Amino acid sequence: KNEVEQSPQNLTAQEGEFITINCSYSVGISALHWLQQHPGGGIVSLFMLSSGKKKHGRLIATINIQEKHSSLHITASHPRDSAVYICAVSRNTGKLIFGQGTTLQVKP
Amino acid sequence: KAGVTQTPRYLIKTRGQQVTLSCSPISGHRSVSWYQQTPGQGLQFLFEYFSETQRNKGNFPGRFSGRQFSNSRSEMNVSTLELGDSALYLCASSPSRDGDSPLHFGNGTRLTVT
Repeated sequence: KNEVEQSPQNLTAQEGEFITINCSYSVGISALHWLQQHPGGGIVSLFMLSSGKKKHGRLIATINIQEKHSSLHITASHPRDSAVYICAVSRNTGKLIFGQGTTLQVKP
Repeated sequence: KAGVTQTPRYLIKTRGQQVTLSCSPISGHRSVSWYQQTPGQGLQFLFEYFSETQRNKGNFPGRFSGRQFSNSRSEMNVSTLELGDSALYLCASSPSRDGDSPLHFGNGTRLTVT
């Protein structure tokens, strides 16, 4: 069993829909990261969380430390949100343990 | 501020050769970490450096090595290349040694081994 599990692996949505991607982990962590990767390879850090909830524009990330679970929500989804979303965890270092990623396609 | 710069962007090498990849972090960032991304294994951690010292190493064979210079620039080297080393190699930088700052990723070096 992987230490970081994401669901779903693939997600297709219509423009405007509310999207949720889930991440569960089995190890102790100091932070959880949500990353976005577009075709071509570049990775952008969306959020880094150690507790509670963060919001940036249409993106919201939450984490429940007791349940070892995090969610990434996208409100009013748009085709430009189409990307791979990756959950990763770290423990006081830059060593990240990654989930397998969720491929999101938002259709117009 | 300039972002994280990785060179070269693309590289084609033959089995048995060696390769050196370079990563220039954001100015002021002293932590650099390296990752390998393949379709089969996804993203995997390779190494992490802070102030020229390797802090962590992932589960990769000794053919994979790295170093960090006094200006925080980092290089990774893969010797005796194998077909399975074909991957996207990403580096990321951070100002913090304790992992309490977000990582800034470069665009990666895509290595193809033939």
